[in-house]
Amino acid sequence: RKEVEQDPGPFNVPEGATVAFNCTYSNSASQSFFWYRQDCRKEPKLLMSVYSSGNEDGRFTAQLNRASQYISLLIRDSKLSDSATYLCVVNFGTGGFKTIFGAGTRLFVKA
Amino acid sequence: DAGVTQSPTHLIKTRGQQVTLRCSPISGHKSVSWYQQVLGQGPQFIFQYYEKEERGRGNFPDRFSARQFPNYSSELNVNALLLGDSALYLCASSFGLRETQYFGPGTRLLVL
Repeated sequence: RKEVEQDPGPFNVPEGATVAFNCTYSNSASQSFFWYRQDCRKEPKLLMSVYSSGNEDGRFTAQLNRASQYISLLIRDSKLSDSATYLCVVNFGTGGFKTIFGAGTRLFVKA
Repeated sequence: DAGVTQSPTHLIKTRGQQVTLRCSPISGHKSVSWYQQVLGQGPQFIFQYYEKEERGRGNFPDRFSARQFPNYSSELNVNALLLGDSALYLCASSFGLRETQYFGPGTRLLVL
């Protein structure tokens, strides 16, 4: 089983749609969680951190469920510019620290 | 403020050669991490350095090594290059060990 697994995608949605991405992680000792977006042939850019209390940034909402080891990202009112790959990221470790990325979910928003 | 910078941007090597990639973190950041990303996959963690010490290592062979300098810049070395080492190599910096990471534009390595 992969340490971080994401919906395989791709997701093809019309402008204005609401889309949700899911991510599960296997290490119960995981400590911090993030969503990054990556445009084609570019570096990943931080979208938002993920907390147990949930957090919202404009049209984006992230949730963490530690009991189920599950992270989600909700995008409301999708824009053409939201088309990208969304990467789930999990950090864990004490003495030795590791950052694990999911394989990414590709989103295409069409007019 | 300058972001994370990496050099070179592109590199072509042949099998068996050695390569050194360089990274300068955001000013004030003390941690640098290295990742390998092949097409269609997420970045794979190689190393994390904090205050010039290795603090995390991914599942990569000993051909991969790195170091961090007193000014917090870092180098990634790969020896005895294989075709499978062709990838985008990303450097990320963060203030501390578990803080948010910010990525540089990467170095595209092609091994022929």
